[in-house]
Amino acid sequence: QVQLQESGPGLVKPSETLSLTCAVSGYSISSGYSWGWVRQPPGKGLEWIGSIYHSGGTYYDPSPKSRVTISVDTSKNQFSLKLSSVTAADTAVYYCARAYSGYDYWGQGTLVTVSS
Amino acid sequence: DIQMTQSPSSLSASVGDRVTITCRASQGIRNDLGWYQQKPGKAPKRLIYAASNLQSGVPSRFSGSGSGTEFTLTISSLQPEDFATYYCLQHNSYPWTFGQGTKVEIK
Repeated sequence: QVQLQESGPGLVKPSETLSLTCAVSGYSISSGYSWGWVRQPPGKGLEWIGSIYHSGGTYYDPSPKSRVTISVDTSKNQFSLKLSSVTAADTAVYYCARAYSGYDYWGQGTLVTVSS
Repeated sequence: DIQMTQSPSSLSASVGDRVTITCRASQGIRNDLGWYQQKPGKAPKRLIYAASNLQSGVPSRFSGSGSGTEFTLTISSLQPEDFATYYCLQHNSYPWTFGQGTKVEIK
């Protein structure tokens, strides 16, 4: 059974960098598929952030594109999200997911609050 | 970018009702669309993939149809556990985009 688990700080100060990691179990990232990040601001809908392929190729949403970096570490079977220069608008639950005809497996999500 | 317009944004229905939710794409996306159910405090769960294929383990009262620009999620007989928010997601081209969501509430 494929499982994903997000981890990282729950509180980030404005202008700093948000860093999250998604640990994957039950499937080897290097075997294929792409892996993505989705976020959900409190009380709002789902927002696509970006995706990374096992080969390292990336695609990002144009909105936070210049601030987003997604990377993969196949040796640890995990992938990561970095979002720089955060503001209160980046406060959200962040989900990682595996992409197979859309997203088939999701992490439970982690709330990141941007506040001083 | 492809815009996904989902309607209605909310609806009230009774147990046993037939419910239909629609997503329209701003350009053709073949059948590269999925439907997701989200309950409060939980991660989204995929119900339908490739527009009309039922995810393993999902009750058969859920069905999807459509291709190109118009897609529909139907719940044939609404059950108490189906009260949730539903989203469509197009994965035909980057950036992937979600519909705005439809909250299904108890009448």
